[in-house]
Amino acid sequence: EVQLLESGGGLVQPGGSLRLSCTASGFTSFSYSMMWVRQAPGKGLEWVSSISSDSGTKHYADSVKGRFTISRDNSKNTLYLQMNNLRAEDTAVYYCAKCIVVCHKGGVDNWGQGTLVTVSS
Amino acid sequence: IQMTQSPSSLSASVGDRVTITCRASQDINNYLAWFQQKPGQAPKSLIYASSTLQSGVPSKFSGSGSGTDFTLTINSLQPEDFATYYCQQYASYPLTFGGGTRVAIK
Repeated sequence: EVQLLESGGGLVQPGGSLRLSCTASGFTSFSYSMMWVRQAPGKGLEWVSSISSDSGTKHYADSVKGRFTISRDNSKNTLYLQMNNLRAEDTAVYYCAKCIVVCHKGGVDNWGQGTLVTVSS
Repeated sequence: IQMTQSPSSLSASVGDRVTITCRASQDINNYLAWFQQKPGQAPKSLIYASSTLQSGVPSKFSGSGSGTDFTLTINSLQPEDFATYYCQQYASYPLTFGGGTRVAIK
């Protein structure tokens, strides 16, 4: 059974940094594109970033471009999201999701349980 | 690409058939997914490619549409189906979600 487990969330001050991790298990191979999606309290879903299986292609939402960096370590079956210069509006539950091979024109099948990031002084 | 869901909320009874619509601001072919989310839980993937059920999803859920107009139908609504449903286009970046449709008990 495919499982995705996020970690690294917490309370951080505006302007601070945080790195989220998403560890995958139940795969025969971590050869899938992955994405991060977030959900602000009481709001809908917002795509944040995607990365290809070989890390060769990365995409970002305009709202996080230049501040967030997506990466992965296939030897550890782990996806990361480095978040810098955090703002109050970045407060959300962050979910990692596995794409159906690729995200663009592939879709998503599995989701993690999410990790809460709170940006506040 | 803007994704517009309607209605934003609805009330229905157990056993009802429910239809949710999702409209894309431009042609997305069939690159449309549906997700279910219950309070305090992560989203769950229901349908991809407009009409293909994810593994393990009951056949009471069905999707249709192509181009700009899509529908999610839930037959014989059960207590466990009361949730918020989201559509998402994955035809082009940035990937975008609809605003959600909350299905509540009447």
